[in-house]
Amino acid sequence: KQEVTQIPAALSVPEGENLVLNCSFTDSAIYNLQWFRQDPGKGLTSLLLIQSSQREQTSGRLNASLDKSSGRSTLYIAASQPGDSATYLCAVSSKETSGSRLTFGEGTQLTVNP
Amino acid sequence: DGGITQSPKYLFRKEGQNVTLSCEQNLNHDAMYWYRQDPGQGLRLIYYSQIVNDFQKGDIAEGYSVSREKKESFPLTVTSAQKNPTAFYLCASSIIGTGNTGELFFGEGSRLTVL
Repeated sequence: KQEVTQIPAALSVPEGENLVLNCSFTDSAIYNLQWFRQDPGKGLTSLLLIQSSQREQTSGRLNASLDKSSGRSTLYIAASQPGDSATYLCAVSSKETSGSRLTFGEGTQLTVNP
Repeated sequence: DGGITQSPKYLFRKEGQNVTLSCEQNLNHDAMYWYRQDPGQGLRLIYYSQIVNDFQKGDIAEGYSVSREKKESFPLTVTSAQKNPTAFYLCASSIIGTGNTGELFFGEGSRLTVL
């Protein structure tokens, strides 16, 4: 059964720092991996989707990479800002479930201090 | 604007009552999902539907029921059989690609509290 792990569970950094969030998954037979952002008490906002055939995706200050063979993805945030403070979740669409739904990690709670 | 609308945002229920959470989307997505989120835990799938009049159980379906009579709507009923219903409920939708889930879009969530 697919399992998704995110490390660290929480991270606090000063404004302006570049940072990396990690996501690992146990079954490399995936269709895609998605990164989401969640603000307190809100729904999830999709940040980036990487198909299994891709190595990375970029959107503004965000860059997500995917190493399917090792079961790892990273989300790189450049020049962090206080507005980036949120919980970041990754999720995979697995072939074991015919890609019919996503398996989520528990998230990394990020705090960017002014 | 296109999106997913969940209502109500906050709901209080007495023990023994059934409650229904609404989820409507105007994105023309085929697939819709209900997730439950508890503090310190990841999202857990309750039910999902890939086509009208059909739905599948997720990982924690016991005590919940759904219907999919229209493409745009996927209401979730939390029944009195659900032992611990206090949680944050999230509805989502996606297109269905060639054999896999496309990008997932979420509503703003409904917080259910049992008194």
